[in-house]
Amino acid sequence: GAVVSQHPSRVICKSGTSVKIECRSLDFQATTMFWYRQFPKQSLMLMATSNEGSKATYEQGVEKDKFLINHASLTLSTLTVTSAHPEDSSFYICSARDWGHTEAFFGQGTRLTVV
Amino acid sequence: KNEVEQSPQNLTAQEGEFITINCSYSVGISALHWLQQHPGGGIVSLFMLSSGKKKHGRLIATINIQEKHSSLHITASHPRDSAVYICAAHPLTTSGTYKYIFGTGTRLKVLA
Repeated sequence: GAVVSQHPSRVICKSGTSVKIECRSLDFQATTMFWYRQFPKQSLMLMATSNEGSKATYEQGVEKDKFLINHASLTLSTLTVTSAHPEDSSFYICSARDWGHTEAFFGQGTRLTVV
Repeated sequence: KNEVEQSPQNLTAQEGEFITINCSYSVGISALHWLQQHPGGGIVSLFMLSSGKKKHGRLIATINIQEKHSSLHITASHPRDSAVYICAAHPLTTSGTYKYIFGTGTRLKVLA
C-alpha cells in the first residue's frame, strides 16, 4: 500500500507554545488529507479535511484558529496546534488519499503531551 | 445508535484460534475498509471491500452488501495479531469528500 509519513511520533511541549505536525505522502499525490484526534480507547474523531491548495474544512466544534491546517503541496500537510494547553494532549493522526481513489492511507500518528 | 457497529468490543483468544470480528452498518456505502491499529497507534490498511471476499495471508475479509455486514477473519491467530481492528465505512455521497464513518473498534488480544 501507499506510504504516509507523519512526524514527529511523539512531542512534549510547554503550555502556551505551538506545535507543528507534518504529514507527508511518500509515493502518491495526496489531493485530500484528513486530520484526526483520538482519545484513549476511543475511535478516531475527524477534525478537518484539507484539499491541496484550498482552505481546510473543519468539523463542527473544532476551532480553526486553534488547529491550523496547511496543505500547500500535493505531498505535505501540516497541523499546527497553537497556544497548546494540557487539554490538547492527545493522539493526532493524518490520512491521505489521491484524487479518484476511495482508499485513504494513514500516518503513524503523533502523541502530543502538553505540560 | 452508531451508523457503524462492531462486535465484539473486546476479544481474547489463545494462539492458533480462528477469530471473527463483525461489522454492521446502517448507511449505504461505496466501500468498507478494515484497519489495524497497533498499540503504538499507527494504523495499517488491511482491506478495502465493495463486494465479495478478499484474502491476504491469514486474513480474510468478506462483505454482504444486501445484509450490510462485513466480517474480518484471522486464521491461526498469533500474539502479534494483538491490536485494535477498526472497520470504516465510506458512505455513498455526492459531496466527494470521502469521509469515513468509523466503527468503535475491536480490541484483540492473542495469548501465547
